[in-house]
Amino acid sequence: GIQVEQSPPDLILQEGANSTLRCNFSDSVNNLQWFHQNPWGQLINLFYIPSGTKQNGRLSATTVATERYSLLYISSSQTTDSGVYFCAVSSYLQGGSEKLVFGKGTKLTVNP
Amino acid sequence: DTAVSQTPKYLVTQMGNDKSIKCEQNLGHDTMYWYKQDSKKFLKIMFSYNNKELIINETVPNRFSPKSPDKAHLNLHINSLELGDSAVYFCASSQLRGNSPLHFGNGTRLTVT
Repeated sequence: GIQVEQSPPDLILQEGANSTLRCNFSDSVNNLQWFHQNPWGQLINLFYIPSGTKQNGRLSATTVATERYSLLYISSSQTTDSGVYFCAVSSYLQGGSEKLVFGKGTKLTVNP
Repeated sequence: DTAVSQTPKYLVTQMGNDKSIKCEQNLGHDTMYWYKQDSKKFLKIMFSYNNKELIINETVPNRFSPKSPDKAHLNLHINSLELGDSAVYFCASSQLRGNSPLHFGNGTRLTVT
């Protein structure tokens, strides 16, 4: 099946810093999403982005499908950005967009 | 106005017991899912239902039985609970083939003692 690798596994920032999280995947995808799991365990959908670039406030994401990677940018980080960021993909080979495979996540800690 | 709601939030039970987790979504989505998150935070799909029809059934022990009475509800029943079943179980929903984001419930933390 499709493999998803996220880097770095852990990231510690001072408030106000910028960061880039990376997601590499092993096959062509028809669905790619980024999620934030906050310290209370809630999973929040950040972006649906199988290709192209999107922005939402201080967050933006870019997926280069032909090169099999996606990037999540966090600018001017805040303590509330802390948590685990997951990338999830599904592959054309799986025949549909319903079976998302998750990476192991990047744990982000933003210190005040 | 919670989009995907699941109950209970916490479930503590003894080995061998049977328990259920309920999930409801009010987003009008046609597809619902159960995911399991283990102690290392790894998320893995267990089941998916589209309009009450089972479309994904991963290699899950048959002690786990999902039931979808309608497209807005997906429940998970677990028989003969084992220590290894301890995890956080997330319900989610989306619109199949609609370029639709996946929306998660807040999770049910199951602890088997």
